[in-house]
Amino acid sequence: QSVLTQPPSASGTPGQRVTISCSGSSSDIGSNYVYWYQQLPGTAPKLLVYGNDQRPSGVPDRFSGSKSGTSASLAISGLRSEDEAEYYCAGWDDSLGGPYWVFGGGTKLTVL
Amino acid sequence: QVQLQESGPGLVKPSQTLSLTCTVSGGSINSGVYYWSWIRQHPGRGLEWIGYIYNNGGTYYNPSLRSQITMSVDTSKNQFSLELSSVTSADTAVYYCARGDYYDGSAYIDTWGQGTLVTVSS
Repeated sequence: QSVLTQPPSASGTPGQRVTISCSGSSSDIGSNYVYWYQQLPGTAPKLLVYGNDQRPSGVPDRFSGSKSGTSASLAISGLRSEDEAEYYCAGWDDSLGGPYWVFGGGTKLTVL
Repeated sequence: QVQLQESGPGLVKPSQTLSLTCTVSGGSINSGVYYWSWIRQHPGRGLEWIGYIYNNGGTYYNPSLRSQITMSVDTSKNQFSLELSSVTSADTAVYYCARGDYYDGSAYIDTWGQGTLVTVSS
């Protein structure tokens, strides 16, 4: 069971805006930055968002991240068929025995 | 643009040691303040961080895997490596090597290799 909790699935139609949530606790999201990765089928994950809301160069501004308290969200606007992928949140967990890097369980986004 | 490529046996017998190497191209493993990491993904499942190593050999491992892991770095070959001892079928996974960077003092994984499937089976 992942430390960071994501819904297993999400969906939307082309052009829509969808959000994917990531829920944690005071020892992870609550006290550290959140990162988001996109994993297209059969490929390695790719960094989408770092530092809660920063986009690496080359990532479209359709993708945006936010964080509030112990939760974070990834929003995708103007949904496209090529956005169909698995999305993972990640960050550091400072709980006992840590700090260690943790991932959410992943959310499979389907473009209908 | 830095690229990472994993290499190693695709099949390992139970109780043996899994050994993988990651070759870094397009940049020196000594450059900047980067760190070098291993992550794995069990078939059809999510991602699990294994640990990371600095170019000076300093390491930090996932506490749940610490007893099995050894990481090393060879700056002369621009490579870093993972050894996972006493493997079982539960260690069957796609193994990714990755580069870590820093933002506002916080480390994060920014570049991934393509991954290599390692199956543990007799």
